[in-house]
Amino acid sequence: DIQMTQSPASLSASLGETVSIECLASEDISNDLAWYQRKSGKSPQLLMYAASRLEDGVPSRFSGSGSVTRYSLKISGMQPEDEADYFCQQSYKYPPTFGGGTKLELK
Amino acid sequence: EVQLVESGGGLVQPGGSLKLSCVASEFTFSNYGMNWIRQAPGKGLEWVVYISSGSSYIYYAETVKGRFTISRDNANNALYLHMTSLRSEDTALYYCARHVDSGYFDYWGQGVMVTVSS
Repeated sequence: DIQMTQSPASLSASLGETVSIECLASEDISNDLAWYQRKSGKSPQLLMYAASRLEDGVPSRFSGSGSVTRYSLKISGMQPEDEADYFCQQSYKYPPTFGGGTKLELK
Repeated sequence: EVQLVESGGGLVQPGGSLKLSCVASEFTFSNYGMNWIRQAPGKGLEWVVYISSGSSYIYYAETVKGRFTISRDNANNALYLHMTSLRSEDTALYYCARHVDSGYFDYWGQGVMVTVSS
């Protein structure tokens, strides 16, 4: 199985701060990567797919980048509503696998 | 708005069985593959099983193969997960999630808790 190593495990950011979360795949996943956001008590929401494509309705302060094995999610200007858990997921090979998650809190 | 609502969770003894349900609404259920994904306490998300729109293709994670059975009823917009020979390591929040062809999950339910303990 492809291992997804996500960092950091937790992060605290101030209002307006730019935040970056990374995912490292154990092999080339050819940009087949998604990012999800899960707010407390809510269902996970798809934010980004194909590494850098924003899902409809997701604010433009979210962006994704990366290639081969290294990918990142950036939030340009932390907002209170961005406080959540974030997960990456590769869809390049079965079984789909997820990163361990990043807990993002507002400082 | 697409909705997925899981039910059927609870406390079960090791070796026991449980059947989860997921009822879908506000989309054409029969057009989409569906998945179950779980998260054990303090752990990351783990994909469990996929079923294609017409039930022709089913793929299981190795950790549940032979013990879990996925099924669906397109007439009633329902997805099921029949879990047998349950182990403590199956304790988790179970989500149903809609499948996108590129391998992502675009809508998730709120999750249902399964606790395997004596």
